[in-house]
Formats: sequence, C-alpha cells, structure tokens
Amino acid sequence: GNSVTQMEGPVTLSEEAFLTINCTYTATGYPSLFWYVQYPGEGLQLLLKATKADDKGSNKGFEATYRKETTSFHLEKGSVQVSDSAVYFCALSDAGGYSTLTFGKGTMLLVSP
Amino acid sequence: GAVVSQHPSRVICKSGTSVKIECRSLDFQATTMFWYRQFPKKSLMLMATSNEGSKATYEQGVEKDKFLINHASLTLSTLTVTSAHPEDSSFYICSASGQGTDTQYFGPGTRLTVL
Repeated sequence: GNSVTQMEGPVTLSEEAFLTINCTYTATGYPSLFWYVQYPGEGLQLLLKATKADDKGSNKGFEATYRKETTSFHLEKGSVQVSDSAVYFCALSDAGGYSTLTFGKGTMLLVSP
Repeated sequence: GAVVSQHPSRVICKSGTSVKIECRSLDFQATTMFWYRQFPKKSLMLMATSNEGSKATYEQGVEKDKFLINHASLTLSTLTVTSAHPEDSSFYICSASGQGTDTQYFGPGTRLTVL
C-alpha cells in the first residue's frame, strides 16, 4: 500500500535560517504529491503540490520538487520567519488528488526570533 | 479560497452518549467529503469517504455502525459517534472537494473528549 515518511520534529530554527523537511514515499503508479500546513488552532491548508516527476511546487517561498528516482518530495525554504511555525504534512494521492490522501505523521517547525 | 467549517470545535461527553459533528463547505459545493481522525503525534487516519447522496465508504477497521456518516447535501456532512467511549476521544477532521478539482479543503477539526 501507499505510505509517506517524513522527518520527525520538532525542527527548531532561528529566523532567516534555511529549512529542509524531508519526505519520502512508497506508492504504486504515479501519485500526486502535496505539502499541507497546519497553523496552531487552524485546519490544514494546502501549501503546494506536484503532479508528475520533476515538477516543482512552490508557494509563499516554500518549494518542493517531485523526485521519482529517489521517491522524495522534500520541502525547502531559503529564509524562514516566525510566522512559519506550524506543523507540516507531506501527503500523496493516487490520482491527482481526486482519490484519498495518505499523510505522513507531520513535522512541527518552531522558528524563534 | 474554499472554506470548510466544523462544529463544534470542542465537545466533552459522557461515556455511552452520542455526539454529532458537522462539516460544512461554505463557498463551494462539495461532491466528496472525507472524515479523518488524528491521534497525538500521528498521521491523519482516513476513516471514510462520502459522496453526496450516497452511502459512505469506510476504511478497513472503521466501524460503520459506530461512526455514522451522512452527506445529504452538497454543503453538509455529519459524523455521529454513537455510544461514545473514552477510546473514541480524538481529534476529528473533515475535508471537502468539489467536482472537477484535485484539492481537498480541510476544516479546523473537532476535539472530542469522552469521559
């Protein structure tokens, strides 16, 4: 079956530091890949997505590249802000997001001033 | 963007009682709604998928008689936890997607505590 593995947190960084949150997946076929973010007290929000190999999703300074050869979709940001503190979920979907999502466990990011 | 609400945000109930959680898509028609359960430091676990006007499809291991899901309209789905027990205490999250879209929009979640 499908599975998503992401690095355990919390990840603690100072403001303006570089961020990487690793995500690898196991899936049959060609899944779509997503990063969702959950800010404190709020629901999950779609951060970015990629639907095929070598696609790069980007939003709000975050980016992730769909790497089929390494089955990875690592999230990166060049300079984090305190407001980026949240829990980040990597997820995959079998068919462009129309079908169900399989989530990783989530990685908490804490950014200090 | 698309907004999904859940009500209530928190509920505390006694063991043996039933609790209903509502999930509403506020500005779009949700042809499909999903119900998840989130445990501390764990992934979101999909419980069931419901299409408007149809019976929900439950994931393996989820008791359909215990977790009743209704998706009677394009903007509302409900999850009823029947005869709740302390082990049902959890964070329940719904999501919704519209026809022709490839994105699920999530509600803010409902914290259920069963005493």
